[in-house]
Formats: sequence, structure tokens, C-alpha cells
Amino acid sequence: RKEVEQDPGPFNVPEGATVAFNCTYSNSASQSFFWYRQDCRKEPKLLMSVYSSGNEDGRFTAQLNRASQYISLLIRDSKLSDSATYLCVVSSTGNQFYFGTGTSLTVIP
Amino acid sequence: DARVTQTPRHKVTEMGQEVTMRCQPILGHNTVFWYRQTMMQGLELLAYFRNRAPLDDSGMPKDRFSAEMPDATLATLKIQPSEPRDSAVYFCASGLLGLSGNTIYFGEGSWLTVV
Repeated sequence: RKEVEQDPGPFNVPEGATVAFNCTYSNSASQSFFWYRQDCRKEPKLLMSVYSSGNEDGRFTAQLNRASQYISLLIRDSKLSDSATYLCVVSSTGNQFYFGTGTSLTVIP
Repeated sequence: DARVTQTPRHKVTEMGQEVTMRCQPILGHNTVFWYRQTMMQGLELLAYFRNRAPLDDSGMPKDRFSAEMPDATLATLKIQPSEPRDSAVYFCASGLLGLSGNTIYFGEGSWLTVV
């Protein structure tokens, strides 16, 4: 079983839509959680950390459900510039970082 | 603006040749990772170092790949001999880890094509 699993999509949504991605992880001892964004032919970049209480950064909201071992990312009022691949990342001991295969998002005009 | 630096950015080589990729982690970071990314496999962890000591290289094909960190400012990934199936993007990432919540930062990658 993979450490981190994501729906690869693709998600094609119109501008202004709200879209949500989920990700599940297998190790209940996981401690740190992140969402990264990767644009085509670029490196992954940190989008936001995910905290137990949930956290928001502008149009982006991340949530963690430890009981069900899943992480979510909600994007409100989608912009064309949000088109990218979103990677779920889980770290168990601060050493190993496990990446999901990514969810592809295309925002359509 | 601190960043992870990788060289070469692009490399085309013939099968059987040796390839060496280099990474300069962000100054002060204690952990360095090598990842490989392909369309089919996503990001695969090849190896990582903590304070220059190799901690895990189980993701790396041992017969042809080797990773070293000769000093705190340089990590290398070597493929010898290279094969067409090694064609991928190789990312180096570094972080100041050991505390929960700290994350890692990627270089721009080395795009390798083996023909």
C-alpha cells in the first residue's frame, strides 16, 4: 500500500468555481502534513502546511482528519493561475517526506 | 533569497555513459533528498542525508546509482552506466528537519535524457 494516495484527476473547473482535493495516508504515526503545488516542467513548491485545527490562506483551506487519515485542500473562487498539479505530502518523523502522485487541476475561462 | 541549486539543468547523454548531477542545498539545512520524477511514477525518493550521513537509499538502484555528500554544500547523484529508463527529472531538496512541521524546498531539477 502506498504511503500517500491521491485521486489523479484531472479536475477541469470553470473560473470562480470551488474545488476540493482529498488525500489519504497510511501511517497513523504521521506528524506533519503539507500541500505542494507543481506547475508544468517546474519543481514542486510549498503551498501550505496543514494543521490539526485546519488552516486557511486566502482562497485556500486545508484540513486534516487524523481519525480517518485524510487531508483535504479546498480552493474557492478558482483562478486561471490555479491550474497546476497539487501534491499531498506526509512526513512521519520529520525525516521521510512521502509525496502523493498529484492531482491535476485545470481552471477553464 | 535562499534556494537549492542543481546542475546541470539539462543533460542528454548516450546509453552507457556516466552522469553526475550536483546539488547545493540551502545553507544551514541539515537534510538533503534526491527524488526522481517521471510521468508514470510521480516523485520517487532515491536517497536522503542527514548532516551529510546517508540515512536511506533503499529507493535507489544500487548497481548503477550512487549518492554522496562530500561536504555540507554539495550533494551528488551519479549514474554509471546510464540507461534509457533513467530518463527523468531528478530533483534535489533540502530542509532543516528534526522538528515537526518543518518542510523541504526543491531545486529546479536536472532533466536527464538517455538515448
